Amino acid sequence: DQQVKQNSPSLSVQEGRISILNCDYTNSMFDYFLWYKKYPAEGPTFLISISSIKDKNEDGRFTVFLNKSAKHLSLHIVPSQPGDSAVYFCAATTSMDSSYKLIFGSGTRLLVRP
Amino acid sequence: GAGVSQSPSNKVTEKGKDVELRCDPISGHTALYWYRQSLGQGLEFLIYFQGNSAPDKSGLPSDRFSAERTGGSVSTLTIQRTQQEDSAVYLCASSFSSVRSPLHFGNGTRLTVT
Repeated sequence: DQQVKQNSPSLSVQEGRISILNCDYTNSMFDYFLWYKKYPAEGPTFLISISSIKDKNEDGRFTVFLNKSAKHLSLHIVPSQPGDSAVYFCAATTSMDSSYKLIFGSGTRLLVRP
Repeated sequence: GAGVSQSPSNKVTEKGKDVELRCDPISGHTALYWYRQSLGQGLEFLIYFQGNSAPDKSGLPSDRFSAERTGGSVSTLTIQRTQQEDSAVYLCASSFSSVRSPLHFGNGTRLTVT
């Protein structure tokens, strides 16, 4: 039972263009969502988050959009840079869970071509 | 300051042997999590520690897996009688235990069971 799904295992974009990574979830109790970036042989690093009371959060080149009715969120990277090439994980949690454990998707591998 | 430290970075063991994986969380972080990532999969929650509270063990896949956290700091994940399906990258993370406190991950221990 996958509560967080990233249906695109990979994405390739040209440098300077927009990268859009998508994520769907099934658990309506999720109220906080995060994106992590992972380089090979390293642990995931936090990128950006959004609370369910918002529909957009922006941090520099990174913007996360949340559509609660569709149980869908997306990460936009503009402009994309070769250094953005990594695996991106979507994660979700609920403040009802006292451990705040994150439920992760399976990841999308982004390749930004120079 | 230093990030989350995990050791060993790589471990190869024979099927049926026991292994111990170690995690040193970020100083001051009260919450500690273990996750694992199998090949081509997302991050799977294993166990959560918070202060002196009983750990959340809901993600442990079998009774061969156990973990402890001594003195509210260092944690050890033990896998007894390892099986080939235990092969994965085991990731430790720590945080301030708030829904809005991102998890900080170590670089993981790559476990290979032959």
